[in-house]
Amino acid sequence: AQSVAQPEDQVNVAEGNPLTVKCTYSVSGNPYLFWYVQYPNRGLQFLLKYITGDNLVKGSYGFEAEFNKSQTSFHLKKPSALVSDSALYFCAVRDSVSGTYKYIFGTGTRLKVLA
Amino acid sequence: EAEVAQSPRYKITEKSQAVAFWCDPISGHATLYWYRQILGQGPELLVQFQDESVVDDSQLPKDRFSAERLKGVDSTLKIQPAELGDSAMYLCASSLGLERINEQFFGPGTRLTVL
Repeated sequence: AQSVAQPEDQVNVAEGNPLTVKCTYSVSGNPYLFWYVQYPNRGLQFLLKYITGDNLVKGSYGFEAEFNKSQTSFHLKKPSALVSDSALYFCAVRDSVSGTYKYIFGTGTRLKVLA
Repeated sequence: EAEVAQSPRYKITEKSQAVAFWCDPISGHATLYWYRQILGQGPELLVQFQDESVVDDSQLPKDRFSAERLKGVDSTLKIQPAELGDSAMYLCASSLGLERINEQFFGPGTRLTVL
């Protein structure tokens, strides 16, 4: 079955420091991977996706993600964190096997950037 | 910028009452998703439409939940009767189509509280 795991419930980082939010995946077939961000009482917003090609994917708001096939990981990164980056982050994988093409989300990681 | 619209934003109801949520996807988006998100967790797919057809409703509690997208545009999700455990955020999302590996666009959600 397709799945993603986010091993950290919360990540704390000081403003200006680099941040990493971890995601590992388990898929049959090609991995199509996504990151979304959710602010309080709001829907999810798309940050970036990996389909194929370059292992370093750049996205919105200065975020990037590194796809690592051997480690089955897709970690979200940002070189310099902002207080406004504090939010809930979700990794997701698109099911490419069952024929429904549905998206499966991780449990989320709360990022807290400290001033 | 086009957005997914949802209403109401908040709904408080008593156990055993009926509730309904409405979603209007971005124009031209063939695929529409309804998710349930329990506080602090990732979204869980309830039902997925491609135009007016249901693609996946395997996680929809069909004894009490129903969803329709009659003309392949807007959609309604209904719960009858509501139970205490239904308290959650209900998110609607849309995307261009199943064949494309596109991101989903989410609405602001409806927060349901069942008393």
